[in-house]
Amino acid sequence: EAGVAQSPRYKIIEKRQSVAFWCNPISGHATLYWYQQILGQGPKLLIQFQNNGVVDDSQLPKDRFSAERLKGVDSTLKIQPAKLEDSAVYLCASSSQGAYQPQHFGDGTRLSIL
Amino acid sequence: AQSVAQPEDQVNVAEGNPLTVKCTYSVSGNPYLFWYVQYPNRGLQFLLKYITGDNLVKGSYGFEAEFNKSQTSFHLKKPSALVSDSALYFCAVRGYGSGNTGKLIFGQGTTLQVKP
Repeated sequence: EAGVAQSPRYKIIEKRQSVAFWCNPISGHATLYWYQQILGQGPKLLIQFQNNGVVDDSQLPKDRFSAERLKGVDSTLKIQPAKLEDSAVYLCASSSQGAYQPQHFGDGTRLSIL
Repeated sequence: AQSVAQPEDQVNVAEGNPLTVKCTYSVSGNPYLFWYVQYPNRGLQFLLKYITGDNLVKGSYGFEAEFNKSQTSFHLKKPSALVSDSALYFCAVRGYGSGNTGKLIFGQGTTLQVKP
């Protein structure tokens, strides 16, 4: 089974620029998650989709971050404009429906803001 | 509010010795507990989970974890450590019951260093 695919792997931008990340979940997984992992910390959920609907975006900084999951498959996460504190690894994960199902993670995008 | 604590930033163990990585949790309602491992520049890999039933859960790569409801703990264990087990380990909890959203909350992570 193919895993969760993310691109790009690395991105360097200057503050106030915009950036977008792409995620392709495991085939058939209805639930998709975006996490932010700051160095030395555990992942923090930014947004959770169930098919193409948002389940939880309570920790998404909506003034600068946006995400969409068109057609309930691929997803993009955008930051506009970026701030220095957005430097982190952005992880995408997917799971089958159900609270006890484990999440499968992609390798992430490491974002550096100059 | 849900929370997870991993009290040790780093655990050092000699190859062949048993290892324990500690985790305690706080959640209202029944907890769903998970352990993940992260290698450098990689995403998290699922190791094992506790949902209900037997308190000793077996997972991937010879790892197991013991759920203790009275101590609200879910420690990760392995009888004989390998150098290749060296990585960053995360405990996570997902609570269900009144007042819980079902969100997965991760601990800060524990670096496991296994020396030859």
